[in-house]
Amino acid sequence: SQTIHQWPATLVQPVGSPLSLECTVEGTSNPNLYWYRQAAGRGLQLLFYSVGIGQISSEVPQNLSASRPQDRQFILSSKKLLLSDSGFYLCAWSVLGQGWNSYEQYFGPGTRLTVT
Amino acid sequence: GNSVTQMEGPVTLSEEAFLTINCTYTATGYPSLFWYVQYPGEGLQLLLKATKADDKGSNKGFEATYRKETTSFHLEKGSVQVSDSAVYFCALSEFGNFGNEKLTFGTGTRLTIIP
Repeated sequence: SQTIHQWPATLVQPVGSPLSLECTVEGTSNPNLYWYRQAAGRGLQLLFYSVGIGQISSEVPQNLSASRPQDRQFILSSKKLLLSDSGFYLCAWSVLGQGWNSYEQYFGPGTRLTVT
Repeated sequence: GNSVTQMEGPVTLSEEAFLTINCTYTATGYPSLFWYVQYPGEGLQLLLKATKADDKGSNKGFEATYRKETTSFHLEKGSVQVSDSAVYFCALSEFGNFGNEKLTFGTGTRLTIIP
């Protein structure tokens, strides 16, 4: 079966410090991978998605970046955090489900980031 | 572009009450529709899905029917429990060029069930 891991689970970082969040998927090959941010009391904002190693698409201009160094590893980074980067970061992977147009996404447990 | 509009929350119900959370969508093609649930401090879990018009998705007593004529996918449960307290997200996905499959989420509806 497939599992998705995220770490760390929680993180408190000062403004201006760097960031690295990691996501790994087990039990599947060549998944699509996604990073979302969920601000307090808000919906999900898609930040990045990747369809393969080294292939990253950005949805929102910001001071964050993403990389996919291996097939099942997805990393979210920042060189200098802003207060507005605080939130709950979720990684997800997708696979074609039943029906040609059914792309179910499966989410990790999330990382809660607080920038102080 | 695609969009999902969900019923504004929060919603508070008594245990064993009937639940409806409204969801309508706008899409240019033939989307699949999903409901995800997020329990406090956790990631999202897929609750149910429907891939074509008139399909009914169901799981854990929850149901939703894909209504193309009204572009809706309302979530229902006949008798809610305290353990159903969570945030519920409606979402759609649509087939695009390879590598361009993304979910569009609603803003979420917080549900609280009181004993």
